[in-house]
Amino acid sequence: AQRVTQPEKLLSVFKGAPVELKCNYSYSGSPELFWYVQYSRQRLQLLLRHISRESIKGFTADLNKGETSFHLKKPFAQEEDSAMYYCALDQAGTALIFGKGTTLSVSS
Amino acid sequence: DSGVTQTPKHLITATGQRVTLRCSPRSGDLSVYWYQQSLDQGLQFLIQYYNGEERAKGNILERFSAQQFPDLHSELNLSSLELGDSALYFCASSETGGPGELFFGEGSRLTVL
Repeated sequence: AQRVTQPEKLLSVFKGAPVELKCNYSYSGSPELFWYVQYSRQRLQLLLRHISRESIKGFTADLNKGETSFHLKKPFAQEEDSAMYYCALDQAGTALIFGKGTTLSVSS
Repeated sequence: DSGVTQTPKHLITATGQRVTLRCSPRSGDLSVYWYQQSLDQGLQFLIQYYNGEERAKGNILERFSAQQFPDLHSELNLSSLELGDSALYFCASSETGGPGELFFGEGSRLTVL
């Protein structure tokens, strides 16, 4: 069955430290993966998708099919990065399956 | 605001009752998705409609049903409510039948007492 696992509920880092939010998936086909973010008092919104291979707000994510992972990384965290982050898997071109989310807290 | 709108924002009701949650997608979006977010469960996919037709089903209980109307707005009906149905219900829309980028509403918070 398709599944997305985000092992950390909470990740706390200091400003300027590197960030890695972990995401592992289970999918038999060729996966299409996304990271969504929800800032305080804002709607859940797309941060990036693996097929675009771009960096958004300094974040990047590389699909590793061997390890079935799609970790989100940023070299230097900023306080404004504090938010809830969800990893999501495209379920055969229909709906997205989301992980349970990781809260990132960046403090100065 | 041409974004996804959901009503009501908050709803408190009793066990055994029935409620209807409403969602208007972004202008031009044909797909509507419903998700349930309860404590420790993350976002659980319930159901998807595309241009009025059911397209995909997730973990939706038989007590729950949904539809999408000709004007593309959607309603999620929850009946015989139980305490465990208390959750935040999100609607999202996308332009096409495949998810691509989903645009989310602010959610409807349902509390069942």
